Amino acid sequence: NAGVTQTPKFQVLKTGQSMTLQCAQDMNHNSMYWYRQDPGMGLRLIYYSASEGTTDKGEVPNGYNVSRLNKREFSLRLESAAPSQTSVYFCASIPGGARGQNSPLHFGNGTRLTVT
Amino acid sequence: KQEVTQIPAALSVPEGENLVLNCSFTDSAIYNLQWFRQDPGKGLTSLLLIQSSQREQTSGRLNASLDKSSGRSTLYIAASQPGDSATYLCAVGGNSGNTPLVFGKGTRLSVIA
Repeated sequence: NAGVTQTPKFQVLKTGQSMTLQCAQDMNHNSMYWYRQDPGMGLRLIYYSASEGTTDKGEVPNGYNVSRLNKREFSLRLESAAPSQTSVYFCASIPGGARGQNSPLHFGNGTRLTVT
Repeated sequence: KQEVTQIPAALSVPEGENLVLNCSFTDSAIYNLQWFRQDPGKGLTSLLLIQSSQREQTSGRLNASLDKSSGRSTLYIAASQPGDSATYLCAVGGNSGNTPLVFGKGTRLSVIA
């Protein structure tokens, strides 16, 4: 049981380049989330998907887009990377729905992104 | 807007000590509160989840309490060990189960052998 898998683990981009961070979970969870973690700022929510087919903005959505490809996969895209997007990105999931609301959040191991 | 504060930001204790980590939140209308552990370069691992109707949860040497009315939670670690060294994060869920968690900035704990 792999849980939440994020790819790639590390990435270096030049300013203006684009890339997609991939996230997949094998726990049949309904809700998925993208957070970024920066020193001194803690974890901040970028986007989330409460269920397949829906996405919503979080606290810091500017410069990002997301796609809930299916129930398993939730990708995060940077269209034109900026140095301010240098961060560690975490994907997380939770069962959600009527029966899974009081369940712990499961995290992937993160993608460490540097934009030069 | 919910805000979560964790004090202290860093803590260093000798092995064997009992210790308390603090978490406070501004909006008491929460669905649950979760404590996580993060090791350097790793993702977050859930330690304890307290539902809004509960007062505390225990797992091994860990005990977490919740006082919604005062907007506070504590994580008690008994008989600390060097392996407990990590960053501990507190997060609160909004007024429904689908509302995303809001995280504190964490407390970095070092247990010295």
